[in-house]
Amino acid sequence: GQNIDQPTEMTATEGAIVQINCTYQTSGFNGLFWYQQHAGEAPTFLSYNVLDGLEEKGRFSSFLSRSKGYSYLLLKELQMKDSASYLCAGSGNTGKLIFGQGTTLQVKP
Amino acid sequence: GAVVSQHPSRVICKSGTSVKIECRSLDFQATTMFWYRQFPKQSLMLMATSNEGSKATYEQGVEKDKFLINHASLTLSTLTVTSAHPEDSSFYICSAREISGPSYEQYFGPGTRLTVT
Repeated sequence: GQNIDQPTEMTATEGAIVQINCTYQTSGFNGLFWYQQHAGEAPTFLSYNVLDGLEEKGRFSSFLSRSKGYSYLLLKELQMKDSASYLCAGSGNTGKLIFGQGTTLQVKP
Repeated sequence: GAVVSQHPSRVICKSGTSVKIECRSLDFQATTMFWYRQFPKQSLMLMATSNEGSKATYEQGVEKDKFLINHASLTLSTLTVTSAHPEDSSFYICSAREISGPSYEQYFGPGTRLTVT
C-alpha cells in the first residue's frame, strides 16, 4: 500500500527556522516531492528527492532517508508569505503522486 | 517554463446538470495528464490518470461513469462531471507530464472551483 503522513498544522515565528516532517510508505518508491499551496491555488513545486541526503535551494531545503522512509522540508528565515500548506507526495512505480494530508504552516510576526 | 491552463477557473451549476472542465498544456505536449480533487482543508486526491488516445485509469472509489475523462490530443484533456450533486462541489486540479521531460515531473494547472447548488 501507499501511505504518507505529515503533521496537520505548525506555527512558527517570522525569521525563524521550521522543519516539516513526512514519513512515507510507497510501493516501488520513485522519489519524494514537496509542494507549496496557498489557499485556493494550485500546488507549486518546491523540491524532488530520489537519493538520500539534503538538497538545498535558497531558503528551502529537503532531506530524504530512503531506509527510514522519512523526509523533511526545512524553511529558513521565515517570511509571512511562507504561510501556506506544504504537501509531501510520494511517487511510486506507477508514476502517480500520492499526497499526504498537507501541513498548514502559520508564520506569525 | 511548462504551463498548464484550466478552464473555467470557477463554475456554479445546478444539481443534475453536467459540467466540463478543460486542461491544456500550453507550450508542451503531454502524453499523460492527471486529475485531482481537493476538498476544503484536505489534500489532493488523485481521481484518474489520462493517457492520450486511450481510456483513463480511475482510482478506486471514483465512478468512471460520473467523471468522464477524454484525452483526445497531446495538449488537451477534459473532465466532465455528469449529473452533478452538491457533494461534487470541490476544487478540481489537473496536472500534465511532458513527453520529453523527466518521468517524475508534473506541472499543475491553476484549478477549477466547482460549486453545485
